[in-house]
Amino acid sequence: QSALTQPASVSGSPGQSITISCTGTGDDVGSYDLVSWYQQHPGRVPKLMIYEGNKRPSGVSNRFSGSKSGNTASLTISGLQTEDEADYFCCSYAGGSTPVIFGGGTKLTVL
Amino acid sequence: EVQLLESGGGLVQPGGSLRLSCAASGFTFRAHDMSWVRQAPGKGLEWVSGISPSGSTYYADSVRGRFTISRDNSKNTVFLQMNSLKVEDTAVYFCARTPNWKFDYWGQGTLGTVSS
Repeated sequence: QSALTQPASVSGSPGQSITISCTGTGDDVGSYDLVSWYQQHPGRVPKLMIYEGNKRPSGVSNRFSGSKSGNTASLTISGLQTEDEADYFCCSYAGGSTPVIFGGGTKLTVL
Repeated sequence: EVQLLESGGGLVQPGGSLRLSCAASGFTFRAHDMSWVRQAPGKGLEWVSGISPSGSTYYADSVRGRFTISRDNSKNTVFLQMNSLKVEDTAVYFCARTPNWKFDYWGQGTLGTVSS
């Protein structure tokens, strides 16, 4: 299986909204509602931001939202804040003997 | 409070072995799937292996046949035995709790370096 496809970088200004895409195939993103998203600041541990496509763990701001259309999942961050600047990784269940696949990651810059 | 504490990383020559451990606390360990996820220096996340509460195991193609995941529910610990190590296995290895294929709690990671 190949990694899920994410843009290498996105940017936005404080207060704006951005969307990060995550493209897979009909064998992973398109077949299961099990996409999750992780935020990682430099030198820090990844943090779960969205799971099962559009659910937020307790404590995660409602500025973060997830969606899916076909084989592409998306993470939207509204009202950008400087602390949102980080790397973001998507992940999907893919079934079979290798059931998990990550995206390559997207670096978000808040200008 | 959920805590995951990895240990066992270090420097090893190509072809060598490392055994990683992850001690869990703050939740009912025996009821949860657990995984190892790695991150090579400056690179993205890569899922390595997972294990169910009953001991069913799963591996990435890149490590199948070389790595073995196991767990000891009496000691709340999950292990990753890594054999025939390659330079490209150099990474920080994270232990993560994995309910329903999401990684909701992560350890701080342990660095495994494969180099001659």
